[in-house]
Amino acid sequence: DSGVTQTPKHLITATGQRVTLRCSPRSGDLSVYWYQQSLDQGLQFLIQYYNGEERAKGNILERFSAQQFPDLHSELNLSSLELGDSALYFCASSVWREGREQFFGPGTRLTVL
Amino acid sequence: KNEVEQSPQNLTAQEGEFITINCSYSVGISALHWLQQHPGGGIVSLFMLSSGKKKHGRLIATINIQEKHSSLHITASHPRDSAVYICAVNNNNDMRFGAGTRLTVKP
Repeated sequence: DSGVTQTPKHLITATGQRVTLRCSPRSGDLSVYWYQQSLDQGLQFLIQYYNGEERAKGNILERFSAQQFPDLHSELNLSSLELGDSALYFCASSVWREGREQFFGPGTRLTVL
Repeated sequence: KNEVEQSPQNLTAQEGEFITINCSYSVGISALHWLQQHPGGGIVSLFMLSSGKKKHGRLIATINIQEKHSSLHITASHPRDSAVYICAVNNNNDMRFGAGTRLTVKP
């Protein structure tokens, strides 16, 4: 158990809908990272927050947004969902702002029908 | 060409064999990570390297910054080592991933 929690574990929804994925980092970790893992693209970095502020952006679509709240939990919002958004979404946390060892949550499996 | 290349893509070994997985990258990095992903999907960070060599139990990771190459070695492999091993690099606050190496260790 990494200490990082993600909810929900599974999510099934329809195209055009909007969903919110939630991540709670390990106690004391200030950085939260979001990743997408799809069958055709592999793992991709989406976005990083550090202590409530956006720190780095990767291949995140404009339809997706994220935020980190004062209690350090983070939410990833996916809107106008398309079939291709079906994937595993992982969050990870670390203590430091820069790339350090990251602890991964169990992931949320999103299926868009 | 991908910025992070792993080889081999697939690897089958007999229990007890010494295993090496390679990772080459073409970008400047601040750190390199080796991750393990089990069939259930969970990801575990095995190592983070910026130079030299690290060892944890039967796992050894090395990095050569000049050659832009890293290796992950598993000694005395065991069926429970069966997983996908993923190399990832930190580049300008971004993280780039290799496609992964699927390892199967047979008893």
